[in-house]
Amino acid sequence: EVHLVESGGGLVQPGGSLRLSCAASRFTFSIYWMSWVRQAPGKGLEWVANINLDGSESFYVDAVKGRFTISRDNAKNSLSLQMNTLRVEDTAMYYCVRTGGSWHFDDWGLGTLVTVSS
Amino acid sequence: NFMLTQPHSVSESPGKTVTISCTRSSGTIASNYVQWYQQRPGSAPTTVIYENNQRPSGVPDRFSGSIDSSSNSASLTISGLKTEDEADYYCQSYDSTAVFGGGTHLTVL
Repeated sequence: EVHLVESGGGLVQPGGSLRLSCAASRFTFSIYWMSWVRQAPGKGLEWVANINLDGSESFYVDAVKGRFTISRDNAKNSLSLQMNTLRVEDTAMYYCVRTGGSWHFDDWGLGTLVTVSS
Repeated sequence: NFMLTQPHSVSESPGKTVTISCTRSSGTIASNYVQWYQQRPGSAPTTVIYENNQRPSGVPDRFSGSIDSSSNSASLTISGLKTEDEADYYCQSYDSTAVFGGGTHLTVL
C-alpha cells in the first residue's frame, strides 16, 4: 500500500516562508509524477503544482507561480514544496499526491496544515 | 482554462440510486479523462472512478462513471446507497493543468 507522509506545515505570518516535505514509501517513487494539491478550510480541492519523473520539469497553478517551487529527490524518495511570500489565501491543508497517467491523483497523503495569519 | 460545475449538494435514501453531474464549461468532455474522488470528513480524498468509468480495486461496483458528449458532462452514479457513502465527491479533469469541480455533498438519509 502506497505511503505518503507530509510534514512541515504550521503557522506563518503573511510574507513568510515555509517548506513542506513528503516522504514516500512502498512504491517505486522515481517512475511517478508527483503533485501537491491543497484544500482551504471548508473549501474544495485545488491542484497547486506537479513535477516530472526526474525533476527537470514542473508546473504550477497561476496563483502560486513565482512564489512556490516543487522539487524531488529520487534517491531519498522525497518531494518538497518551498513556499515563499505566503499570503492569507494560501491557508490550506496541503496534500502530497502520487500522480498517474491522465492526471489521475491516485494516492494521497494525510496532508499538512499551513496557516498564514498575523 | 475550463471549469467543472457540480451541484452543491444531493440527498437520497439508503438503497436508492443517486447521480452526481459534472459539466465542463468549455472544450469537450470527451477530450480528457474524468476522475471522481470521495472525501469523508477529516480524511484525504480517495479515487472512486478514474478515466471516466474505471473503478480502482476495492471500490464496489455500486459506483459507476460515464460521460455524455451531448451535455458535455460526466456523471457519477452510486446505486444501492449506504450511509457510509455520505461524503463529498469531486470530479476532476485536465487540459494543460488539472481542474477540480467544486464538490458535491452527498447526504444519505
